Amino acid sequence: QKEVEQDPGPLSVPEGAIVSLNCTYSNSAFQYFMWYRQYSRKGPELLMYTYSSGNKEDGRFTAQVDKSSKYISLFIRDSQPSDSATYLCAMSRLGNQFYFGTGTSLTVIP
Amino acid sequence: EAGVTQFPSHSVIEKGQTVTLRCDPISGHDNLYWYRRVMGKEIKFLLHFVKESKQDESGMPNNRFLAERTGGTYSTLKVQPAELEDSGVYFCASSQESVYEQYFGPGTRLTVT
Repeated sequence: QKEVEQDPGPLSVPEGAIVSLNCTYSNSAFQYFMWYRQYSRKGPELLMYTYSSGNKEDGRFTAQVDKSSKYISLFIRDSQPSDSATYLCAMSRLGNQFYFGTGTSLTVIP
Repeated sequence: EAGVTQFPSHSVIEKGQTVTLRCDPISGHDNLYWYRRVMGKEIKFLLHFVKESKQDESGMPNNRFLAERTGGTYSTLKVQPAELEDSGVYFCASSQESVYEQYFGPGTRLTVT
């Protein structure tokens, strides 16, 4: 069983829509939860990180962690064509070795 | 501030040859990580340096892979001899004190034929 499961998509939404991206995990020892955005042929770019459970908001992005369900989400409000990318969730026990999901491909249609 | 840089961006080698990948972390970042993404799979951890010391190398697949970070600055990852299954994208990341804020380089795409 994979440590982290993420629906690869692809996900296609119209501009302005709210996007919900999700990951589930099996290891209850994960404490750090990250979301990365990756454009084609580029490295992953850190979007947000949270420690333990709860919500965190940054502009149009909101990250949620539900440790009881081993489920994390990233919401993108007012999605823009520039948000079109692959979104990767990552998790860590102690903050060093990251465990990644396979990524969800998102296209925002103008 | 310059980001993490990696060289080369793409390398094509034959099975049995040797390849060396280089990573230059963000200046001042003591933590340096190597990851690999094989086609269709998730990005997987290879190892973690703190300055010049290997903190965790539990993800290194076998002894054909050798990572070094002399002087605690740039790092190299050597694959010798390369096998077909070593093909993939090798990412380097660095972080300062907050190890969960890892900043990734653009990756080196390695193709072994």
